[in-house]
Amino acid sequence: DADVTQTPRNRITKTGKRIMLECSQTKGHDRMYWYRQDPGLGLRLIYYSFDVKDINKGEISDGYSVSRQAQAKFSLSLESAIPNQTALYFCATSRDRMNTGELFFGEGSRLTVL
Amino acid sequence: EDQVTQSPEALRLQEGESSSLNCSYTVSGLRGLFWYRQDPGKGPEFLFTLYSAGEEKEKERLKATLTKKESFLHITAPKPEDSATYLCAVPIGGATNKLIFGTGTLLAVQP
Repeated sequence: DADVTQTPRNRITKTGKRIMLECSQTKGHDRMYWYRQDPGLGLRLIYYSFDVKDINKGEISDGYSVSRQAQAKFSLSLESAIPNQTALYFCATSRDRMNTGELFFGEGSRLTVL
Repeated sequence: EDQVTQSPEALRLQEGESSSLNCSYTVSGLRGLFWYRQDPGKGPEFLFTLYSAGEEKEKERLKATLTKKESFLHITAPKPEDSATYLCAVPIGGATNKLIFGTGTLLAVQP
């Protein structure tokens, strides 16, 4: 089983709909992240959380919200989806004190907003 | 502004044909540079961390090097299974694990 699990893996939705992407991890890491990946733009940080009570905006947080329900769970919500939120979304985790730059990524959630 | 630029965008090699990928960066006070590999349909997978100019890391056919302005990922005698997108990243802000990524180099190794 994957250490970082994202659901759903693929989702097609319509403009204006609310959608939630979920991430759960079994690695026991405190730090969790949401990135989106677009062709030509690379991976961009949306939100990150260093523990259950800590939520921080990344570089492109507008139009998104997150919830850290537990150490192992970090959800990303689009309250009213729009077409330019069509992208590949990745959840990632990292260890707290080991500053190695090593992130562990899930397999991604491909979202299409029509 | 903190920035990471990778070149070339795409590279096609014959099996056994060695080459290098480039990652140039402009950040204030570099606190590490990280290389990842991403296979199609998968999340990025960590390869290396480099902390200081002159440092080198190796893994199988890959060797990463770091200068004060850029990093190179050297691929020696590549095989088709080395085909992937290679990403580099640097930490920004006060948290080492908050990374900005380059757009990657798509490497295709033909048999």
